[in-house]
Amino acid sequence: QVQLQESGPGLVKPSETLSLTCTVSGGSITPYYWGWIRQPPGKGLEWIGYIFYNGATSYNPSLKGRVTISVDTSQNQFSLRLYSVTAADTAVYSCARYSPDNPKHFDSWGRGTLVAVSS
Amino acid sequence: QTVVTQEPSFSVSPGGTVTLTCALSSGSVTNGHYPSWYQQTPGQAPRTLIYSTNTRSSGVPGRFSGSILGNKAALTITGAQADDESDYYCLLYVRSGIYAFGTGTKVTVL
Repeated sequence: QVQLQESGPGLVKPSETLSLTCTVSGGSITPYYWGWIRQPPGKGLEWIGYIFYNGATSYNPSLKGRVTISVDTSQNQFSLRLYSVTAADTAVYSCARYSPDNPKHFDSWGRGTLVAVSS
Repeated sequence: QTVVTQEPSFSVSPGGTVTLTCALSSGSVTNGHYPSWYQQTPGQAPRTLIYSTNTRSSGVPGRFSGSILGNKAALTITGAQADDESDYYCLLYVRSGIYAFGTGTKVTVL
C-alpha cells in the first residue's frame, strides 16, 4: 500500500516561495502520475497540477505560471514550488497518486500539510 | 476559465436517496471527462468513491453509484447512512492534461 507524506515549512512570508516535498513509501514513484491539490481553510479542493515520473508536467492555468512541480526518482520524491505567494495561498496542501490502472483519478492521498502565508 | 459547479448542500433522511450533480461551465459532461467522486470528512484526506463515471473504488459500498444525468455527472447515494454525512467533490478531466475539482457539496443526514 503506497503512502504519501508531505513536508515543508508551515509558514511562508508574502512574496516569497512556498516549497513542499512529497515522499512516497511502500511503492515506487515510477512509472506513475503524481499530483498536488490544495484546500484553503473552509473552502473546496483545488487541483494544482501533476507530474509524470519522466518529468512531464501540467498545471492549473489559474496559477498563472507561479507553480513548478519537479520529481526526484532517486529519492522517491516529488516537489511543489509556488512563487510570489499571498495570503490567498494559505491552504492545506496535499499530494496524491493518480491511479496506475486509469490515470484520470486519484487513488492514494497524503494527509496534507497546512501552509500559512503571513508576515 | 473553466468552472465545475456542484450543489452547495443537500439534506437526506436516513435510508433516503440523494443525487449530487457536477456541471461544467464550458458544456456537457461526458464519459470523456472521466468524472470521479471523492468523499471528505473534516480533517481527513479525501476517499475515492467513483471513477470513470460509474466504477466504484475497492471497498466502496454499493449504495454509492455514478452516472451521467443529462449534461452533468451525478453521484447517487441510495439508502443513506449516518456516516455518509460528508463533503463530496467531483473531479473532471477538462482538456489536454488539465483537471478541475467541483465546488463541493455538503451532505447532511438527518
